[in-house]
Amino acid sequence: GDSVTQMEGPVTLSEEAFLTINCTYTATGYPSLFWYVQYPGEGLQLLLKATKADDKGSNKGFEATYRKETTSFHLEKGSVQVSDSAVYFCALNAIQGAQKLVFGQGTRLTINP
Amino acid sequence: EAEVAQSPRYKITEKSQAVAFWCDPISGHATLYWYRQILGQGPELLVQFQDESVVDDSQLPKDRFSAERLKGVDSTLKIQPAELGDSAMYLCASRPRVAFEAYNEQFFGPGTRLTVL
Repeated sequence: GDSVTQMEGPVTLSEEAFLTINCTYTATGYPSLFWYVQYPGEGLQLLLKATKADDKGSNKGFEATYRKETTSFHLEKGSVQVSDSAVYFCALNAIQGAQKLVFGQGTRLTINP
Repeated sequence: EAEVAQSPRYKITEKSQAVAFWCDPISGHATLYWYRQILGQGPELLVQFQDESVVDDSQLPKDRFSAERLKGVDSTLKIQPAELGDSAMYLCASRPRVAFEAYNEQFFGPGTRLTVL
């Protein structure tokens, strides 16, 4: 079945550092890919998405590129801020069948000033 | 800005008791999801509705969990009896009806955190 594997956390960085959170997936066909962010005590918010190979999703300085050849969708940001501290989830939505999201296990990111 | 509403935000109960969670999706959203998120893990789908019909409940523990969306708008998720292992965040999400549905994002509510003692 479909699955998503994320880089294990927690990840701790200093402010203005470069961020990469790895995400790889297994799916039949070409799913849509998403990054969601969850701040403490809140629900999930969509951060960015990509719907086909080589698409780049971007939002709030974060970027991720849909790489079909490596089945990856790594999240990057050039200069992180304390306010980026949260849990980040990679997810896929298969094209075929039930339209549900399959999530990775999440990566907790802490940014120190 | 339209949001998915959930209540209560927090619920503490003793095992063997019954609990119920409520979700009001964004107006006009045809698809509604209930997810369970165990601490330190990603959300897992419990049940998916399209309007008032269940599309997928394959991961719903039907001996104790039930879900309904009678008029195709708001929804209730019930657990009876609650067990210690049910302690988790229960998230509701909704999605509009569009032509190519896989491209749609899901909009999540703030969740209900359940603690079973």
